[in-house]
Amino acid sequence: GAVVSQHPSWVICKSGTSVKIECRSLDFQATTMFWYRQFPKQSLMLMATSNEGSKATYEQGVEKDKFLINHASLTLSTLTVTSAHPEDSSFYICSASPGNIQYFGAGTRLSVL
Amino acid sequence: SQKIEQNSEALNIQEGKTATLTCNYTNYSPAYLQWYRQDPGRGPVFLLLIRENEKEKRKERLKVTFDTTLKQSLFHITASQPADSATYLCAWEEYGNNRLAFGKGNQVVVIP
Repeated sequence: GAVVSQHPSWVICKSGTSVKIECRSLDFQATTMFWYRQFPKQSLMLMATSNEGSKATYEQGVEKDKFLINHASLTLSTLTVTSAHPEDSSFYICSASPGNIQYFGAGTRLSVL
Repeated sequence: SQKIEQNSEALNIQEGKTATLTCNYTNYSPAYLQWYRQDPGRGPVFLLLIRENEKEKRKERLKVTFDTTLKQSLFHITASQPADSATYLCAWEEYGNNRLAFGKGNQVVVIP
């Protein structure tokens, strides 16, 4: 199957700092990538759709100024959590798809102190 | 809007037995349902996709069914092994354009 790489796998940061998470499709081109957030014992919640060469589409309730998404190439999308606060601590996962099936990154565990 | 539910209780099962998980929906039948496996601290891994007009799909020891009358999909792991212990998620295209919504997931624990 297709491979999606996500980096870093975990990050600890101080409150008020910004954190960037990268998502790469390694063996296919992805005009669209997706960002999810997952809290402990909860399911994945779709945050936004990252569109290559254009603005991201955010789901209802997700602050676009808080979660900046850039999709500058066909293989890379980045999610920047700006001015992170403890309530932003979560597991962030990206996915991309060469068809109907989504391939997921390994996830990024963000802990904001 | 669509509501799709998975039983969030953990399923403990003896090795060698068949584990059966359920994904129920309440309104319109989704065009397809997908099943994923998620291990702790990892992203989901795709297992099977079943379309609305398909009754059953198989992949090795896994089987998925889609019953539009009962409005449910069943996911079976036959001859279960401890390595099958994980959380299993059903997903559907809720929003269009490949944007998936996920059920809460079912944790399966296979006891040796």
